[in-house]
Amino acid sequence: GDSVTQMEGPVTLSEEAFLTINCTYTATGYPSLFWYVQYPGEGLQLLLKATKADDKGSNKGFEATYRKETTSFHLEKGSVQVSDSAVYFCALSDAGGYNKLIFGAGTRLAVHP
Amino acid sequence: DAGITQSPRHKVTETGTPVTLRCHQTENHRYMYWYRQDPGHGLRLIHYSYGVKDTDKGEVSDGYSVSRSKTEDFLLTLESATSSQTSVYFCAISGKTSGEKPSSYNEQFFGPGTRLTVL
Repeated sequence: GDSVTQMEGPVTLSEEAFLTINCTYTATGYPSLFWYVQYPGEGLQLLLKATKADDKGSNKGFEATYRKETTSFHLEKGSVQVSDSAVYFCALSDAGGYNKLIFGAGTRLAVHP
Repeated sequence: DAGITQSPRHKVTETGTPVTLRCHQTENHRYMYWYRQDPGHGLRLIHYSYGVKDTDKGEVSDGYSVSRSKTEDFLLTLESATSSQTSVYFCAISGKTSGEKPSSYNEQFFGPGTRLTVL
């Protein structure tokens, strides 16, 4: 079945460092891909998405490119801030319809001043 | 803000008691979902609904039932709670239509979560 694999955390960075969180997927068909972010004590918020191969999603300085040849959707940011500390989830849309999502295990990011 | 609320936000209960969690939306989204979040597992789908009275099982449905009698409400019931059901539960919605499908049609919007502890 479809699945999403994320790099294990926690990831600890200093402010202004470059961030990469790896995400790879296994899927039938051509799913949409998503990154969600969860701040402490809150629900998940959509960070960015891509709906087809070579699409680049971007938001708040974060970017991810849908790479069909490597089945990857890695999240990057050029200069992280303390306020980016959160848990990040990669997800794909289930091919069965109904907009169902399959999530990775999540990667916790801690940014220190 | 997609207009989605969950109640209660926190609950402590004892093994063997029934528990019902409520999800309420004000945005007329077609699809509604219940997930549980546990360390190391991300979010796992429990049940979902694709319309009033139309529901189906997700990945981890054993021990849970759901009902959707109105577009805006989706209830999750634990008939007899067990300690393994201690978790954080999230409701999500998607599939809002207005004429042509908006670009956000396949996005899911999440509620604030319910922390359930079963002693």
